[in-house]
Amino acid sequence: KNEVEQSPQNLTAQEGEFITINCSYSVGISALHWLQQHPGGGIVSLFMLSSGKKKHGRLIATINIQEKHSSLHITASHPRDSAVYICAVRSNYQLIWGAGTKLIIKP
Amino acid sequence: DAGITQSPRHKVTETGTPVTLRCHQTENHRYMYWYRQDPGHGLRLIHYSYGVKDTDKGEVSDGYSVSRSKTEDFLLTLESATSSQTSVYFCAISGLAGGPRTDTQYFGPGTRLTVL
Repeated sequence: KNEVEQSPQNLTAQEGEFITINCSYSVGISALHWLQQHPGGGIVSLFMLSSGKKKHGRLIATINIQEKHSSLHITASHPRDSAVYICAVRSNYQLIWGAGTKLIIKP
Repeated sequence: DAGITQSPRHKVTETGTPVTLRCHQTENHRYMYWYRQDPGHGLRLIHYSYGVKDTDKGEVSDGYSVSRSKTEDFLLTLESATSSQTSVYFCAISGLAGGPRTDTQYFGPGTRLTVL
């Protein structure tokens, strides 16, 4: 079993929908990252969080340490949000990566 | 952009040939990483460096070697390429020299390697 599991693997939605991507992990962590990989391949760091919630524009990331779970939400989704969203956790001085969630937003 | 370039961006080679990928940064970051990305596996760490001439293995280091002779450059070498090494390779950097330790990694644009 992977130590970092993301769900769903693939998600297709209509423009304007509220999107939720989930990340569950089975190890003790000191931080969790959400990253975005565009269709062209570039990877961008979105959030690093160790507790609570962070917001940046239409993106919101939450983490529940007790439940070992984090969610990434996108409000008012737009086709330009189409990308692969990757969760990674820092555990024992190494980063453990999820396999990613491929999001497609249709106009 | 965090000032990271990778070269080449695309390469096709034959099994058994040596291949070297270059990662170059202009940001004076201490840590540099090489990952490979394959469908269904996400990003997997190959090797990383925590300073000039200081490197260590990641989870998928077999068949790869690295060198870091100066802060700016981190080279990944496949001594004898195999078809299983067909992948997209990403370099990343973190930890500005002299600054606080940070997890945030900045990624290069990737190199698509095909081994025939």
